[in-house]
Amino acid sequence: GQNIDQPTEMTATEGAIVQINCTYQTSGFNGLFWYQQHAGEAPTFLSYNVLDGLEEKGRFSSFLSRSKGYSYLLLKELQMKDSASYLCAVSDSNYQLIWGAGTKLIIKP
Amino acid sequence: GAVVSQHPSRVICKSGTSVKIECRSLDFQATTMFWYRQFPKQSLMLMATSNEGSKATYEQGVEKDKFLINHASLTLSTLTVTSAHPEDSSFYICSARDLGGDYNEQFFGPGTRLTVL
Repeated sequence: GQNIDQPTEMTATEGAIVQINCTYQTSGFNGLFWYQQHAGEAPTFLSYNVLDGLEEKGRFSSFLSRSKGYSYLLLKELQMKDSASYLCAVSDSNYQLIWGAGTKLIIKP
Repeated sequence: GAVVSQHPSRVICKSGTSVKIECRSLDFQATTMFWYRQFPKQSLMLMATSNEGSKATYEQGVEKDKFLINHASLTLSTLTVTSAHPEDSSFYICSARDLGGDYNEQFFGPGTRLTVL
């Protein structure tokens, strides 16, 4: 079957760095997405990886290793507004998104 | 990025009534739109894939006669929850895939919070 695993919840301190991991097993692979979702709101697109390596976009970076079925989202210089759920999703062979359950990130002052 | 609107943002209705939710892609054409449901503290659950000009593809366990989907144009898909019951209360989110975008990603509408009394 298809499976996306990510931690349920993480806590970090304002100004620090946090890494949210995601492992996946899917039928086919056409890229991995990270989305941010604040409580009561719809998800917003953060990043996309289809080739191995690190993609950096401001304070957020995303890494992919296709051979390991592994990705992480790295958030630097954490701000209180970064408190949200972070969703990992893989596009399978049919270009359908398979979603992880999301990681709730709590930022403490 | 591309913009997707959803209306209404919030609806409260009595049990047994039907509710229609509209999803529009405002600045791009979307041959495919997706309807999700999300219960509190749970992940997104794909309900169906809406294809312009053809029947929607429903996920296993989703009743197609209860959740009617119409994708009449390249910018509009509607979801009608028929004979709604309290257990249908949830956050309904649509998304549209912009094939002309850089990453073929899905852009999400703001969601509709449905409460059935």
